[in-house]
Amino acid sequence: SQTIHQWPATLVQPVGSPLSLECTVEGTSNPNLYWYRQAAGRGLQLLFYSVGIGQISSEVPQNLSASRPQDRQFILSSKKLLLSDSGFYLCAWSGTGRLFFGEGSRLTVL
Amino acid sequence: GESVGLHLPTLSVQEGDNSIINCAYSNSASDYFIWYKQESGKGPQFIIDIRSNMDKRQGQRVTVLLNKTVKHLSLQIAATQPGDSAVYFCAEPRSGGSYIPTFGRGTSLIVHP
Repeated sequence: SQTIHQWPATLVQPVGSPLSLECTVEGTSNPNLYWYRQAAGRGLQLLFYSVGIGQISSEVPQNLSASRPQDRQFILSSKKLLLSDSGFYLCAWSGTGRLFFGEGSRLTVL
Repeated sequence: GESVGLHLPTLSVQEGDNSIINCAYSNSASDYFIWYKQESGKGPQFIIDIRSNMDKRQGQRVTVLLNKTVKHLSLQIAATQPGDSAVYFCAEPRSGGSYIPTFGRGTSLIVHP
């Protein structure tokens, strides 16, 4: 069966520090991969999606970037975090139109 | 652009009651809709889906109704339980043929024992 792992689960970072969130999928090949952000009490904002290795589509201009160095690995990064980058980040892969989400990474920027 | 919106941000019900969560969508070309449930601190999980060639689909204690005339979607939960407390999102594919889903703001369902 397919599984998706996301880490770290929680992190607190100072403004201006770098960020790296990782996501891996197991049990499927060439999945579409997604990064979403969710502010407290809000909906899901699509940040990036990828249809293959090295192929990244950015949905909104922001302080973040994404990379897909391997088929089942998706990384969300920032060189310098802003306070507004705080939120709940969710990685997901899609199959047959449905999204399957990881457990999320809660980022607090102080 | 297209959007998926929800009528009620919070719904409070008593345990055992039936719950109805509503969703309006704007893209009349959408042919596939999904409901997700997100428990506190977790990622959303698939509940049920429906294609535009159907008006109704039933699962275990959940029913989704689709009214294409008024572009309205609803999720009905029978005999609501405390474990049903969560945020519920409806989602539709973005316009342009992609299956990247667009999510609404969500409805928070609170079940009182």
